[in-house]
Amino acid sequence: QSVLTQPPSVSGAPGQRVTISCTGSSSNIGAGYDVHWYQQLPGTAPKLLIYGNSNRPSGVPDRFSGSKSGTSASLAITGLQAEDEADYYCQSYDSSLSAVFGGGTKLTVL
Amino acid sequence: EVQLVESGGGLVKPGGSLRLSCAASGFTFSSYSMNWVRQAPGKGLEWVSSISSSSSYIYYADSVKGRFTISRDNAKNSLYLQMNSLRAEDTAVYYCARDSAGMAMDVWGQGTTVTVSS
Repeated sequence: QSVLTQPPSVSGAPGQRVTISCTGSSSNIGAGYDVHWYQQLPGTAPKLLIYGNSNRPSGVPDRFSGSKSGTSASLAITGLQAEDEADYYCQSYDSSLSAVFGGGTKLTVL
Repeated sequence: EVQLVESGGGLVKPGGSLRLSCAASGFTFSSYSMNWVRQAPGKGLEWVSSISSSSSYIYYADSVKGRFTISRDNAKNSLYLQMNSLRAEDTAVYYCARDSAGMAMDVWGQGTTVTVSS
């Protein structure tokens, strides 16, 4: 069982907006640690998608956005495209400075 | 080009040992903390261990503490993971990943596969 909780799957039609939640606790997200998001396309290594709760690395489309509030965070994807079909993971740290991941969310583009 | 390349994976019997390596290029390796992250077949990502830029700070997941040892050689731009007393549940793709200034893992290798089976 992962320290951070994500829905196992979400889906949406092309062009729609979807959100993926990431719920932690007072010992990780709620303690003030930043949340980062990764995209893993099938058969490939994870790729950093959002860092520091809401920042996009160079090259990541602005269709992807992140937010954090209290002990939770969210990833939003607008204007869904077929190429967005992937697994998405949130990540933060806990009070022992160990990295913690969510269990991952599989996004299906209908 | 910033790059991380893992090697050293393979098939090993339960109780055996394996040493993974991660070769870094295209950036000043000695300035960054590094991580090992693994992914069991069909499962999610699991952080394994991290090491600070000068090896002063080292952390392990409870699942590997006492069995795995992370180390680095900044002169060789290389990160290592010594894995002892391997178990079937250690079977996974092992990735090395760089820590950015904000502690996000901003560069990942392609992974190396470790299979623990008799």
